[in-house]
Amino acid sequence: DVKVTQSSRYLVKRTGEKVFLECVQDMDHENMFWYRQDPGLGLRLIYFSYDVKMKEKGDIPEGYSVSREKKERFSLILESASTNQTSMYLCASSLLTGGPDTQYFGPGTRLTVL
Amino acid sequence: GENVEQHPSTLSVQEGDSAVIKCTYSDSASNYFPWYKQELGKRPQLIIDIRSNVGEKKDQRIAVTLNKTAKHFSLHITETQPEDSAVYFCAASMRNDYKLSFGAGTTVTVRA
Repeated sequence: DVKVTQSSRYLVKRTGEKVFLECVQDMDHENMFWYRQDPGLGLRLIYFSYDVKMKEKGDIPEGYSVSREKKERFSLILESASTNQTSMYLCASSLLTGGPDTQYFGPGTRLTVL
Repeated sequence: GENVEQHPSTLSVQEGDSAVIKCTYSDSASNYFPWYKQELGKRPQLIIDIRSNVGEKKDQRIAVTLNKTAKHFSLHITETQPEDSAVYFCAASMRNDYKLSFGAGTTVTVRA
């Protein structure tokens, strides 16, 4: 059974703070993803990684960075949080290399930036 | 990149009736079309997917149809039950691409 966990369910930060969101998967999946979920906008891809130390921009990377030092862990970093980054953040992982595969999601982190 | 549009945004059905959600995509190279269900307060989970070499796929009360010529695909839920109430997301992806492009979601409410 695939398990994807995220470090926090709820997080409140102040404008300008540096924010770290952590995601861990325990199934040796190759690919990991960070999305933000906003009402009426669906799931929008921020960054993804298909291998350790590899990363690629998604559709909305501005204001975010990522780190993948170990295969099981993928971190999302908000260098200087802003109020428009208040959102639900979802991490996901998938196994297959070379193409799309089932994505397994974490429980999400609801981030509020004041 | 791929653009996926999903309709309707909300859908209310009587228990036992059918529900249909439609999605269109822009890139003819897309060939993988999954559907995810997200119950209130829960994480999205895959419920069914279809690849471009198949026109229809069924799994008990849910089915997905694909029309590659028209670039649209649909989710059909028959004999709806209260536990079908959730947000449903369609998505599309191209061969050799790990990324999924998601639709905006459809909130389905099944009335008892």
